[in-house]
Amino acid sequence: GENVEQHPSTLSVQEGDSAVIKCTYSDSASNYFPWYKQELGKRPQLIIDIRSNVGEKKDQRIAVTLNKTAKHFSLHITETQPEDSAVYFCAAKMTGGGADGLTFGKGTHLIIQP
Amino acid sequence: ETGVTQTPRHLVMGMTNKKSLKCEQHLGHNAMYWYKQSAKKPLELMFVYNFKEQTENNSVPSRFSPECPNSSHLFLHLHTLQPEDSALYLCASGHPPGLESTDTQYFGPGTRLTVL
Repeated sequence: GENVEQHPSTLSVQEGDSAVIKCTYSDSASNYFPWYKQELGKRPQLIIDIRSNVGEKKDQRIAVTLNKTAKHFSLHITETQPEDSAVYFCAAKMTGGGADGLTFGKGTHLIIQP
Repeated sequence: ETGVTQTPRHLVMGMTNKKSLKCEQHLGHNAMYWYKQSAKKPLELMFVYNFKEQTENNSVPSRFSPECPNSSHLFLHLHTLQPEDSALYLCASGHPPGLESTDTQYFGPGTRLTVL
């Protein structure tokens, strides 16, 4: 089955700086890669996703890049703000198959220092 | 925020109790999922239902028994749990694989379960 590795487990950046979180996956058949943000005591919420037919996707301060050959994808947050502090999870799955549950990374605790 | 709801939000139970978790989605989706979130571990997929049919059981012990009576409701029946089963249990819904699939999964707020 799929295995997703996520690094770093904790990331502390100064407010206004950029943050990058990286994930690798093992199953080359995976073709959908979402990123979720989970604030303390709240549900995971989708912030951005990418499919294997594109290499990059951007939404305001958030971007995701995908390297299918190397089987890794990254989340980029620019101009970080205090409200970006949360745990971020990457995930992967293969669409179109019989099973479509997500395989998640262990999460990155992002801390924005004022 | 109210698209996927879960009850109860918190549950404390003994190892010999039987309890059930409930999930309801108001998004018109046909796929529903149970995930387990433990401290310092990734979210773990437990069960997948597509159009009320179970399509995946991710090697979950039989003390966890899911039920999906219709596309809007999902239950997780708990029986003789162990302390290590204490975790946040998250329900999610989404569109099943197909031409109209968006792949996106929307999570409920979770049930915080403590097994004594």
